[in-house]
Amino acid sequence: SQTIHQWPATLVQPVGSPLSLECTVEGTSNPNLYWYRQAAGRGLQLLFYSVGIGQISSEVPQNLSASRPQDRQFILSSKKLLLSDSGFYLCAWSSGGATDTQYFGPGTRLTVL
Amino acid sequence: AQSVSQHNHHVILSEAASLELGCNYSYGGTVNLFWYVQYPGQHLQLLLKYFSGDPLVKGIKGFEAEFIKSKFSFNLRKPSVQWSDTAEYFCAVNAGNNDMRFGAGTRLTVKP
Repeated sequence: SQTIHQWPATLVQPVGSPLSLECTVEGTSNPNLYWYRQAAGRGLQLLFYSVGIGQISSEVPQNLSASRPQDRQFILSSKKLLLSDSGFYLCAWSSGGATDTQYFGPGTRLTVL
Repeated sequence: AQSVSQHNHHVILSEAASLELGCNYSYGGTVNLFWYVQYPGQHLQLLLKYFSGDPLVKGIKGFEAEFIKSKFSFNLRKPSVQWSDTAEYFCAVNAGNNDMRFGAGTRLTVKP
């Protein structure tokens, strides 16, 4: 069966520090991968998605970036965190196609101080 | 791009009460519609989805949703809620691409 992992589970970082959040998927090949940010009362905001290695689409301009160095690995990064980057970050995968269910990871709670 | 509105931010019900959570979307073309649920401390998971066929969709745990194209709505229903249904519920719309748009979520609290 397929599983999706995210780490770390929680992270507290100072403003201006770099960020690296990792997401890996097991049990499937060539998944579509997604990064979302969940803010209280605002639902999930799609940040990036990827349909293959090295292919990244950005939905929202910001100081975050994403990379997909391997088929089942998706990384969310920042060179310098802002206070506004605090939030709950979710990774998801799907088999591809608009009708396919997205399966979500456990999330990372990021607090920028 | 499509957008999704969930008008109820927090709903409080007693056990055995009926539930209906509203979801409206704005997009003129063909859409695929989803309801996700996030139980306390758990992953976001799919409740049900609609992409074609019968507009009344049955999901897990006794939930159902009805797609009404003329109203751009996909409301979630359950005839009798249980305390274990306490969770946050998200409606989502995909317009045939990789861009899934989620509503702001509705927090449901069921009192025992």
